Amino acid sequence: DQQVKQNSPSLSVQEGRISILNCDYTNSMFDYFLWYKKYPAEGPTFLISISSIKDKNEDGRFTVFLNKSAKHLSLHIVPSQPGDSAVYFCAATSLNTNAGKSTFGDGTTLTVKP
Amino acid sequence: GAVVSQHPSRVICKSGTSVKIECRSLDFQATTMFWYRQFPKQSLMLMATSNEGSKATYEQGVEKDKFLINHASLTLSTLTVTSAHPEDSSFYICSADPSLNTEAFFGQGTRLTVV
Repeated sequence: DQQVKQNSPSLSVQEGRISILNCDYTNSMFDYFLWYKKYPAEGPTFLISISSIKDKNEDGRFTVFLNKSAKHLSLHIVPSQPGDSAVYFCAATSLNTNAGKSTFGDGTTLTVKP
Repeated sequence: GAVVSQHPSRVICKSGTSVKIECRSLDFQATTMFWYRQFPKQSLMLMATSNEGSKATYEQGVEKDKFLINHASLTLSTLTVTSAHPEDSSFYICSADPSLNTEAFFGQGTRLTVV
């Protein structure tokens, strides 16, 4: 059973608009969530994280929202830029665990069109 | 930020041979590192946890005799794919983090092709 799900394999948005990437999880033991960006043939790079004591965390153009009751989180990118085009992975772990040991979703490929 | 270096980035080997992949934390010590595998258009799947000075912990379904992990120092973990077969062809990635509950830093990955 997949514990972290990203139900949209792809998303296409126009430059300057908002990109919203969604992620759902089933394991209630998860209390720390991360978003990574990945280019082909490269390792993921960290974008932003959120712990379960918060419902929002913002860093520049990137904002992550967490809805614990729904076991749902989302990543908002605004404004979207062509350089944001990549695969975005949602990952989940627990506060007592190394972030390096996370459960990943399948990823969403974001394409930002100029 | 912290840097994790993985080598080689790409390797092609013949069936039946063994391949070693190195993962180094360049500016921090990592008592624990993690090895992932990614199939095309799929997620990163955790294979094993590499523990400095002790045996690695493998996830269910991962053959420990096939994927040998050695973590001999606080900055180096190696993954050896033994007796490689074409189905072992994949993208292998390591990760480490300097402390609990921070971001994880990933190596650049190794594309293994077994012919």
